[in-house]
Amino acid sequence: DIQMTQSPSSLSASVGDRVTITCRASQSISSYLNWYQQKPGKAPKLLIYATSTLQSGVPSRFSGSGSGTDFTLTISSLQPEDFATYYCQQSYSTPYTFGPGTKLEIK
Amino acid sequence: QVQLVQSGSELKKPGASVKVSCKASGYTFTRYAINWVRQAPGQGLEWMGWIDTNTGNPTYAQDFTGRFVFSLDTSVSKAHLQISSLKAEDTAVYYCGRGGPRGFDYWGQGTLVTVSS
Repeated sequence: DIQMTQSPSSLSASVGDRVTITCRASQSISSYLNWYQQKPGKAPKLLIYATSTLQSGVPSRFSGSGSGTDFTLTISSLQPEDFATYYCQQSYSTPYTFGPGTKLEIK
Repeated sequence: QVQLVQSGSELKKPGASVKVSCKASGYTFTRYAINWVRQAPGQGLEWMGWIDTNTGNPTYAQDFTGRFVFSLDTSVSKAHLQISSLKAEDTAVYYCGRGGPRGFDYWGQGTLVTVSS
């Protein structure tokens, strides 16, 4: 199985900050990397698929990059509604494993 | 609009079984796979597997073989997750999600299954 790691596990930031979250796969997953946002008590929401393609309706302040084993999610200017937990997921091969999550908190 | 609506919360005793449903609407049900994802209290997301809505063929992650069964009722655009011989550690929110290699673009609201004596 492909293992996914994320760093940091938690992050404090302020509104307007630029934030980057890193995700690493235990083997190459080409560009099959997705990012989700989850708020407490809610289902995850797909933000980005195939490394860098923004899901419909997702604000352009979210962006993704990377390939192979190393990937990043960047939020260019944090908004109050962005404080949540973010998960990466590889969809290169089953099981479609998720990373452990990064909790983004208000400073 | 696309929606996945799951059945309500369940409280079960250890050893019992539970069936969670996921009703799809707003799209052609057989065009997209349905995935199941578990989230234990305070924990991350765990992919349980998926079911091909065209063929009914399920694929299970290794930790979800034996007591977990995915099924379909395509006549009413529903997917089901059945868990047998429930244990306390099965207590979690279970989500269905539509999609595959391009991510899961629509999710159900989640079903809390609590296993307690």
